[in-house]
Amino acid sequence: LAKTTQPISMDSYEGQEVNITCSHNNIATNDYITWYQQFPSQGPRFIIQGYKTKVTNEVASLFIPADRKSSTLSLPRVSLSDTAVYYCLVDNTDKLIFGTGTRLQVFP
Amino acid sequence: SAVISQKPSRDICQRGTSLTIQCQVDSQVTMMFWYRQQPGQSLTLIATANQGSEATYESGFVIDKFPISRPNLTFSTLTVSNMSPEDSSIYLCSVVGGAGELFFGEGSRLTVL
Repeated sequence: LAKTTQPISMDSYEGQEVNITCSHNNIATNDYITWYQQFPSQGPRFIIQGYKTKVTNEVASLFIPADRKSSTLSLPRVSLSDTAVYYCLVDNTDKLIFGTGTRLQVFP
Repeated sequence: SAVISQKPSRDICQRGTSLTIQCQVDSQVTMMFWYRQQPGQSLTLIATANQGSEATYESGFVIDKFPISRPNLTFSTLTVSNMSPEDSSIYLCSVVGGAGELFFGEGSRLTVL
């Protein structure tokens, strides 16, 4: 299973774009990259998943360079409600292993 | 998507007792997972529970301590046996969606005194 490395924490202000980068140097050919969001006292929630290049949905964008050794979750115009822990996972099986995550704090 | 209900949502237990956590899914799923999240920490996978077979435990977790049942495709239980304060955690049930994403229950917050 590929290991991931993320910043422990990040701070931002409302209305700003936030980019959280995850390193996964040992990613395997069949691995997908998935991001989850977790609010206090709740289970993690799926945000976005990608294999290469760029993926965008109504919540976020995911940028994956050609070598796939890293990925960047982009949250446009964050609000206070985006304060949460964000986890980057890479795997090709249904058994997903969570890393330490990035604690994002959004200030008014 | 899948809707997952866990019971109890929280409980306070005495050392040495056991507690069974229930997980109910609104659709049939093959694989269910149990995670533990200690205070301020990330999630740790305890075991994978497939219907009709024994659960597969991750390193550091054993069946005697965390027995799991999976009687059908929509239900599973996790028992935390002979509890100690170190078992105080949130226990989360999850299932895999059609696109490979995980759906989680709200978790069961366990405090052992």
